Amino acid sequence: GAVVSQHPSWVICKSGTSVKIECRSLDFQATTMFWYRQFPKQSLMLMATSNEGSKATYEQGVEKDKFLINHASLTLSTLTVTSAHPEDSSFYICSAISLGRGVYEQYFGPGTRLTVT
Amino acid sequence: RKEVEQDPGPFNVPEGATVAFNCTYSNSASQSFFWYRQDCRKEPKLLMSVYSSGNEDGRFTAQLNRASQYISLLIRDSKLSDSATYLCVVILASGGSYIPTFGRGTSLIVHP
Repeated sequence: GAVVSQHPSWVICKSGTSVKIECRSLDFQATTMFWYRQFPKQSLMLMATSNEGSKATYEQGVEKDKFLINHASLTLSTLTVTSAHPEDSSFYICSAISLGRGVYEQYFGPGTRLTVT
Repeated sequence: RKEVEQDPGPFNVPEGATVAFNCTYSNSASQSFFWYRQDCRKEPKLLMSVYSSGNEDGRFTAQLNRASQYISLLIRDSKLSDSATYLCVVILASGGSYIPTFGRGTSLIVHP
């Protein structure tokens, strides 16, 4: 199957700093990528939909000025958590859509575990 | 009513058992359906797509019932390694956009 990578896989930062997470589709072009957040023992929560060359669409309750998304190319989307606070500590997962052969398939990155101290 | 509903479980079964999960969805215009598997502290991994005609992959069988708006996953001859959370995903395509909605997941525990 298609491969999606994320970097970094684990990051610890101090409260008030900003953290950038990269999501790359390695062997396919992804016009649409999704960013999710998952707290322990809870389901995935969609934060935003990132479309290449346009502004991201944020889900209700997700602050767009705090979670900056840039989808600059067909293989890269970035999520920047600005002025991070301990409550932002979570597992952030991106996914990318592959439309190979006209069939929709969604592949997930390995996730980034963010801990804000 | 939630858009995609699953019984959270946990389903606690012995090795070798057959277990079935159901997932219901509310939007009849939904177009694509998938089952994902998520292990603890890992990302979801695609298990299989779900078609009206049914889809079988080894011990796993997925089925879609559009009339009743539910999808199912059947696991035969359960292995210890099948222990995980199983997520159903429903895709709504609208105006060139794809909107995936996840169920909360069903937890499966296979014991010796």
